[in-house]
Amino acid sequence: DTEVTQTPKHLVMGMTNKKSLKCEQHMGHRAMYWYKQKAKKPPELMFVYSYEKLSINESVPSRFSPECPNSSLLNLHLHALQPEDSALYLCASSHAGTGYEQYFGPGTRLTVT
Amino acid sequence: AQRVTQPEKLLSVFKGAPVELKCNYSYSGSPELFWYVQYSRQRLQLLLRHISRESIKGFTADLNKGETSFHLKKPFAQEEDSAMYYCALSGIQGAQKLVFGQGTRLTINP
Repeated sequence: DTEVTQTPKHLVMGMTNKKSLKCEQHMGHRAMYWYKQKAKKPPELMFVYSYEKLSINESVPSRFSPECPNSSLLNLHLHALQPEDSALYLCASSHAGTGYEQYFGPGTRLTVT
Repeated sequence: AQRVTQPEKLLSVFKGAPVELKCNYSYSGSPELFWYVQYSRQRLQLLLRHISRESIKGFTADLNKGETSFHLKKPFAQEEDSAMYYCALSGIQGAQKLVFGQGTRLTINP
């Protein structure tokens, strides 16, 4: 299995809701990432997990809470989001360390109403 | 600070013509540079990286440290090359932070 999968594909949530995005890979990668991509913009890094530990947090607001329960799974818990958080959320994985190819999932299209 | 600049948002060339997508970077250390591509209705994927020195789908890119550039080139464009291309930089030792340029949308006209 050489793909990163993400669920759900689409999500619409109100500003008071709590929801979670899920990401899974079975390539044995020990680094996993969350990116946010607004329309017509490049992906922006949010979080990096390395060996199931959070190694980079790009000053993301606390209404976004990542979790890496095991080496194959990555979650992004969402609470009290704002309309400006509407975007495509991409998950990626790679071997740990620098210089490795990152494999991207198809993304979850999030709309906050 | 790490920064990647792709000066062209849009680039349009005819099939069979040469293609060059420009990428300049700013980084004080030894950078690791990549080109990622996103074809229509497909996920973002790696096209090539400077450390492998490969030619993928006829594309090549040479790292020029003096000019801090990593331009992507192909001698003869094909219609299936139409896509969004992102240049990306990873430089922090021991971390996997990838910084993307703004992207260039390449259109190959028949």
